[in-house]
Amino acid sequence: EADIYQTPRYLVIGTGKKITLECSQTMGHDKMYWYQQDPGMELHLIHYSYGVNSTEKGDLSSESTVSRIRTEHFPLTLESARPSHTSQYLCASSEWGGLDTEAFFGQGTRLTVV
Amino acid sequence: KQEVTQIPAALSVPEGENLVLNCSFTDSAIYNLQWFRQDPGKGLTSLLLIQSSQREQTSGRLNASLDKSSGRSTLYIAASQPGDSATYLCAAYTGNQFYFGTGTSLTVIP
Repeated sequence: EADIYQTPRYLVIGTGKKITLECSQTMGHDKMYWYQQDPGMELHLIHYSYGVNSTEKGDLSSESTVSRIRTEHFPLTLESARPSHTSQYLCASSEWGGLDTEAFFGQGTRLTVV
Repeated sequence: KQEVTQIPAALSVPEGENLVLNCSFTDSAIYNLQWFRQDPGKGLTSLLLIQSSQREQTSGRLNASLDKSSGRSTLYIAASQPGDSATYLCAAYTGNQFYFGTGTSLTVIP
């Protein structure tokens, strides 16, 4: 079973609030990812990290920011939430560069901005 | 850029039927192909991973095959059950990123 955890699982928050979605993994993986997924739609990569102090933007433009101060922790922050940020956010981790590299996902955070 | 397509987008079958889900990718330079299951409102659960040098992998009633040269993978589910109802996604790993298909939504009717 994958050891990657996201909190909170569900969040309803008002417009303009600052929020941080938490993601932690205990597998020692260097690479971590944040994806955004609307219901019935594809996953969009919004941020990723190769390791401590590394953060990169993904394919989908996002108003969120991330940090990677510790290997196991990759939080995502929205400085000012808007209704357009309503979505499911999925965190994942992997080793990288190997033929057997596998992605492990958390259970997701369902964010609703009202 | 790698593009991954899954057909059909949705599939409904009676319980007990065998079925095949399809995944195609545009760039054959992949390290592996991974199949996932996603239940509504949940994260992705890994089902099978096929390395680029392998042809197929099996786990219980699931069998996944990979034809890298033609850019195709299939997931075969034997003797489907209502509990198999979920969305199934494939992902091609290029050594740097995972590229996901849009998924096939499967409904198994009791």
